[in-house]
Amino acid sequence: QQQVKQSPQSLIVQKGGISIINCAYENTAFDYFPWYQQFPGKGPALLIAIRPDVSEKKEGRFTISFNKSAKQFSLHIMDSQPGDSATYFCAANFGNEKLTFGTGTRLTIIP
Amino acid sequence: KAGVTQTPRYLIKTRGQQVTLSCSPISGHRSVSWYQQTPGQGLQFLFEYFSETQRNKGNFPGRFSGRQFSNSRSEMNVSTLELGDSALYLCASSWVTSNTEAFFGQGTRLTVV
Repeated sequence: QQQVKQSPQSLIVQKGGISIINCAYENTAFDYFPWYQQFPGKGPALLIAIRPDVSEKKEGRFTISFNKSAKQFSLHIMDSQPGDSATYFCAANFGNEKLTFGTGTRLTIIP
Repeated sequence: KAGVTQTPRYLIKTRGQQVTLSCSPISGHRSVSWYQQTPGQGLQFLFEYFSETQRNKGNFPGRFSGRQFSNSRSEMNVSTLELGDSALYLCASSWVTSNTEAFFGQGTRLTVV
């Protein structure tokens, strides 16, 4: 059972543009929503995370928007740079439960 | 502070063999989770250990097993390897639960031939 649905599968954005990746979840018990960035040959790295008591969290060029009623959350990358080209995973869990990951989005930033 | 260390980085094994992978978590972290990553299936949860006890288990056959030692280091073992076990195996550590920050190692790339 896939509990976190991520879209799009791949995304091409011009340098300086805004990259937007969306995730939707089913389990209303989820209370922790991290995003991970993975470069080829590396393990995923925690990028930014949010809990449902806030609707938005910003760290530098990265922003998570959270819509609890719609059970959706998204990652926005402002002023996208070629160095942002990577695969991005959203995830969710609660308590001691395992992290459930989305299927990933391969982001390519073109000059 | 040192990150999560996984050894070895690369492994080539023959079908039918067994393999043991190792993960040293960040100092002070007590939770260690293992994931299998493949192009087709994404990140699939294998199991999680906390204080030497398996706390969560994913939907993998019994050929996949693990353990955690008193110093929080963890190992996973795959017996009777199959071609489909070829994957990147990732270990993640967190302080208490993966409901807090979880940090991944670089993974072990296992190729079964």
